[in-house]
Amino acid sequence: DIQMTQSPSSLSASIGDRVTITCRASQSISDYLNWYQQRPGKAPKLLIYTTSRLQSGVPSRFSGSGSGTAFTLTISSLQPEDFATYYCQQTYTNPLTFGGGTKVEIK
Amino acid sequence: EVQLVESGGTLVQPGRSLRLSCAASGFTFDDYAMFWVRQAPGKGLEYVSGISWNSGNNIAYADSVKGRFTISRDNAKNSLYLQMNSLRAEDTALYYCVKDLFKYSSSPGAHDAFDIWGQGTMVTVSS
Repeated sequence: DIQMTQSPSSLSASIGDRVTITCRASQSISDYLNWYQQRPGKAPKLLIYTTSRLQSGVPSRFSGSGSGTAFTLTISSLQPEDFATYYCQQTYTNPLTFGGGTKVEIK
Repeated sequence: EVQLVESGGTLVQPGRSLRLSCAASGFTFDDYAMFWVRQAPGKGLEYVSGISWNSGNNIAYADSVKGRFTISRDNAKNSLYLQMNSLRAEDTALYYCVKDLFKYSSSPGAHDAFDIWGQGTMVTVSS
């Protein structure tokens, strides 16, 4: 199975900060990498699919990049509603696997 | 409105069986692959299983559940199921029913994404 490793596991940031989260795959997954946001007590929400495609309705401050084994999620200007846990997911091959998550907290 | 509603979660003893259900509405159910994803209390997301759009010609499982869990669907009833046998304490989790982003995914979820999630049903395995 492909292992997905996110870093950092948690971070503290202020409103307006630029935030970057990294996800690494144990082997090349081309660009089949998705990002999800999960707020406390809620179901996950799809933010970005296929590395850089913004899901409908997601604010443009979210962006994704990368290829092969290294990927990033960037929030250009952190907003109050962005404090949540973020997960990457590879869909290159089954079984599909998730990263361990990155919790974004208020500084 | 696109909606997924899970049911069937409960407290169950180790070694016993349980069947989860997911009722789908607001979209053409039999056009999309469907999935189960779980989340243990305070932990991250774990892919459990996926089934292709065309009544299960392609099915995938996580290694942790292979041989114990069976995914199925009834397109006439717009429903997804997860039969869980030989349950273990480590199966304790909130189980989400999830819809594929794109239609007609042959290898369920491959090169795709999960766009609609239910609210989950809690399974607790304990004596």
